[in-house]
Amino acid sequence: EAEVAQSPRYKITEKSQAVAFWCDPISGHATLYWYRQILGQGPELLVQFQDESVVDDSQLPKDRFSAERLKGVDSTLKIQPAELGDSAMYLCASSRQGSTGELFFGEGSRLTVL
Amino acid sequence: AQSVAQPEDQVNVAEGNPLTVKCTYSVSGNPYLFWYVQYPNRGLQFLLKYITGDNLVKGSYGFEAEFNKSQTSFHLKKPSALVSDSALYFCAVRALYNQGGKLIFGQGTELSVKP
Repeated sequence: EAEVAQSPRYKITEKSQAVAFWCDPISGHATLYWYRQILGQGPELLVQFQDESVVDDSQLPKDRFSAERLKGVDSTLKIQPAELGDSAMYLCASSRQGSTGELFFGEGSRLTVL
Repeated sequence: AQSVAQPEDQVNVAEGNPLTVKCTYSVSGNPYLFWYVQYPNRGLQFLLKYITGDNLVKGSYGFEAEFNKSQTSFHLKKPSALVSDSALYFCAVRALYNQGGKLIFGQGTELSVKP
């Protein structure tokens, strides 16, 4: 069964450092999402792509976060500089274009900022 | 604005007993509703969804959910709980008119099933 691939699974960094997460969605899925899940809370959308275009990045802290999906396939989420409050699970998900909403999630990347 | 509320942070049930995890939602127009499950340090797994039609939706692992439009609820149920059902459960909503839009998740309910 096809899966959403994410790396790294775990990342420990010091504040003010740069960190990057990578996601490879299920083949053929045009829509890609990055969610942030703080411990004890539900996931919150950071950015949504339709192919290579950003559809929604209203909750992305653009002063330090950036995301790209240059060829409309895999995607990278970057944080620079990292802050203590960025410690969270970063989840990537994908869905078929025009789907009724079922998202397929990767295993997530857990970030700890010291 | 869309929102989801899961009023219980934790639900405890004995193995073999029925379980209910509650969810209420707020959305303009008709909703798409979803349940996901998350095991420790893992991503979210899809359980079931309501789009339209029968108010009782059946999903994976014996779970089902009942859509109640008048009460704006979408409670998750299972007739007989298993210890392996212990996990974090999330309810999510998307407005029907916004088919390409994001899912809004609740804060999650931790289900604990004891032997």
